[in-house]
Amino acid sequence: TQLLEQSPQFLSIQEGENLTVYCNSSSVFSSLQWYRQEPGEGPVLLVTVVTGGEVKKLKRLTFQFGDARKDSSLHITAAQPGDTGLYLCAGESGAGGTSYGKLTFGQGTILTVHP
Amino acid sequence: NAGVMQNPRHLVRRRGQEARLRCSPMKGHSHVYWYRQLPEEGLKFMVYLQKENIIDESGMPKERFSAEFPKEGPSILRIQQVVRGDSAAYFCASSPSAGPNQPQHFGDGTRLSIL
Repeated sequence: TQLLEQSPQFLSIQEGENLTVYCNSSSVFSSLQWYRQEPGEGPVLLVTVVTGGEVKKLKRLTFQFGDARKDSSLHITAAQPGDTGLYLCAGESGAGGTSYGKLTFGQGTILTVHP
Repeated sequence: NAGVMQNPRHLVRRRGQEARLRCSPMKGHSHVYWYRQLPEEGLKFMVYLQKENIIDESGMPKERFSAEFPKEGPSILRIQQVVRGDSAAYFCASSPSAGPNQPQHFGDGTRLSIL
């Protein structure tokens, strides 16, 4: 069974601060996806990282996939109240070369950015 | 440009009743995934279906739960003889194919409450 450990579970910061959310596993994933979820809504895909060591930037958000494709991080620079929400990482299995889209989710990080 | 549509958004059932959750994938998507989310937790994979076929149901309880994706119409997640522990948000996602790294688009979920 593949597991994704996401930390921290809760994060409460002031506007303008930086933060990093981590997603770790002992398993190899073919890709790692990051989602953001608002209350009462479904997860919305932010980014997919595929290659070991890959770094992707989305405005103030920086996503990194570990070299061994077992871990990932999300870094937010100068957080704003609009960044408040639940952030989820999800790994797609298929280390053996096959993948059928089954996602293993981390427990999520509830981020609160105070004005 | 409709996304993944789930209905109902909220469903209340008494213990012992049946719950039917519907999911219409995005246009052109023939792969559907069902996930369950408990409060402030990540999503847990339940079942993966293609049209008229169940591909992977490893995350679905063996009893009382069933899923289908007929040739015509939405995918249905059916829970028979519901119990309090079935209370959760159920999300459906779809993708155009099951190749590696295909993004999954989520609906806004059905919140099931068992009285």
